[in-house]
Amino acid sequence: DTGVSQDPRHKITKRGQNVTFRCDPISEHNRLYWYRQTLGQGPEFLTYFQNEAQLEKSRLLSDRFSAERPKGSFSTLEIQRTEQGDSAMYLCASSPLAGGLITDTQYFGPGTRLTVL
Amino acid sequence: DQQVKQNSPSLSVQEGRISILNCDYTNSMFDYFLWYKKYPAEGPTFLISISSIKDKNEDGRFTVFLNKSAKHLSLHIVPSQPGDSAVYFCAALGGYSNSGYALNFGKGTSLLVTP
Repeated sequence: DTGVSQDPRHKITKRGQNVTFRCDPISEHNRLYWYRQTLGQGPEFLTYFQNEAQLEKSRLLSDRFSAERPKGSFSTLEIQRTEQGDSAMYLCASSPLAGGLITDTQYFGPGTRLTVL
Repeated sequence: DQQVKQNSPSLSVQEGRISILNCDYTNSMFDYFLWYKKYPAEGPTFLISISSIKDKNEDGRFTVFLNKSAKHLSLHIVPSQPGDSAVYFCAALGGYSNSGYALNFGKGTSLLVTP
């Protein structure tokens, strides 16, 4: 299976703890995205990488959130000092670079379900 | 502000009939639209897309129609099958701080196809 993979699939943590999620995109895709989905809502954009460069960050991405893609392959999303409001599904997606066009379909991973107690 | 709206939270259709899911958008800068299907505890799965230069795109049982003047698109599923039961999200590309990369999603429509 060469789809987007995410680890872990589920994470339960206590308020105030730090958590880190990993995303492995489809191997030939050099664009990588993080989204967050809460109950009853559609996914909301968090941040975007092209290769190792983080090119866009949503205002939803507070100072407690940091994302990296050090070698332009996998990415990590860290949340420091978690709060109950951080409970959500965190989705990673990837897409290929097609001549700089933005009309590239984004393919999603299965998500990491975070529960903050 | 919700730039992509799916005003029907749920839809129930009999097997074999047509399912029509609707989506409206407010940002005239959107020029690429996608439909995703999502099962519980899974990530969204890409279904079909359409560029703003077209008004129709078809893939098997799925057809997406785009009416740019009305800022409206719809997904038709014919014939509907029980396995189509899922939440369907409409998404549009662009519109966030001049970024062309952020997908803007609606809240989804839960489709139930009954035997």
